[in-house]
Amino acid sequence: EDQVTQSPEALRLQEGESSSLNCSYTVSGLRGLFWYRQDPGKGPEFLFTLYSAGEEKEKERLKATLTKKESFLHITAPKPEDSATYLCAVQAHSSTGKLIFGQGTTLQVKP
Amino acid sequence: SAVISQKPSRDICQRGTSLTIQCQVDSQVTMMFWYRQQPGQSLTLIATANQGSEATYESGFVIDKFPISRPNLTFSTLTVSNMSPEDSSIYLCSGLTGEAEAFFGQGTRLTVV
Repeated sequence: EDQVTQSPEALRLQEGESSSLNCSYTVSGLRGLFWYRQDPGKGPEFLFTLYSAGEEKEKERLKATLTKKESFLHITAPKPEDSATYLCAVQAHSSTGKLIFGQGTTLQVKP
Repeated sequence: SAVISQKPSRDICQRGTSLTIQCQVDSQVTMMFWYRQQPGQSLTLIATANQGSEATYESGFVIDKFPISRPNLTFSTLTVSNMSPEDSSIYLCSGLTGEAEAFFGQGTRLTVV
């Protein structure tokens, strides 16, 4: 069964304190791994798609990496506005395009 | 990227009634999906909205409770029927682009009283 597990569930950082969020997955043939940011009361905002092990993508203070079993979302020198829930999802080759989501990591960055 | 517009953004409904949520996507979307996000939880797929034919439902979701229409490539509706307080959730429409990137609407926050 395809499954996604994110850790930690919650993370508190001081402004400027870099850290990483983890997304472990099992899937029968990975088509893509997705990272989203979700603010309270809003829909998920697309951040990255990663397709193969070794791939990396960056956007501002965020960098996503992918291995055959997990993905990391690295946050460098975070700011309070980076506070949000970060969701990881996988899409299998065998699927019709649907995503399977992890439970998310809620990040709080304190000034 | 794709633009997904969803309405209403929120509603408070009486139990036993039905609510229809509308989703409009731009032309870059190839597939459309409906998800549910219960309070404090992650997203769960309800169904894939198929153009001109019956939706494909995930385990635990049935057409009588969540009828879905997709009359054309860019528009879909989800109806939550005979609502109970357990249906209180955020309902999200999603569109998949040709590059297999999935974008989401802002969601409909439903409260059933």
